[in-house]
Amino acid sequence: DTGVSQNPRHKITKRGQNVTFRCDPISEHNRLYWYRQTLGQGPEFLTYFQNEAQLEKSRLLSDRFSAERPKGSFSTLEIQRTEQGDSAMYLCASSVTGGSGNTIYFGEGSWLTVV
Amino acid sequence: GESVGLHLPTLSVQEGDNSIINCAYSNSASDYFIWYKQESGKGPQFIIDIRSNMDKRQGQRVTVLLNKTVKHLSLQIAATQPGDSAVYFCAEPPGGSNYKLTFGKGTLLTVNP
Repeated sequence: DTGVSQNPRHKITKRGQNVTFRCDPISEHNRLYWYRQTLGQGPEFLTYFQNEAQLEKSRLLSDRFSAERPKGSFSTLEIQRTEQGDSAMYLCASSVTGGSGNTIYFGEGSWLTVV
Repeated sequence: GESVGLHLPTLSVQEGDNSIINCAYSNSASDYFIWYKQESGKGPQFIIDIRSNMDKRQGQRVTVLLNKTVKHLSLQIAATQPGDSAVYFCAEPPGGSNYKLTFGKGTLLTVNP
């Protein structure tokens, strides 16, 4: 399978704990995105990287959230001091610039439940 | 502001019928639109896209129509199958950006056997 890979797929954590999600984009995709999706809503943009540079962060991304892509390949999204409102599905996506377009391909998501 | 929205939150069809899912957008400068299918518990799956220099694009059993005059696009699914049951989103890059997408709430398509 050469799609976007995310893990863990499910995480249940107690409020106040830290969690980290990992994303492996499609090989050679230089852009990587994080989105958040809550029940009944469409995905909301959080942040994106071009290679290793984080070029934009949404206002949704509070100080407790940090994303990295140290080598321009995989990325991690860490949430510190989780709150119940952080419960959502965190989607990673990737795309390649140039060419015939920049279709953004999504992974299967990482479900976070904060109890 | 810029937004992507959907006319109908739910659509129920019989297997074999054609389905039409509608989407309105507000940014007349938008030049690229994408339809995604999201099955329960899974991530959005790319279906088809269209650029503003086209008014129709066809894929396998799917057709997207773009009406720039009324800022409306639709996704037509021919001979709908139970496997087509999912939430369908239209999405666009806002403000001319080409690196992030704005999604609407989605339309839930239910195909009855």
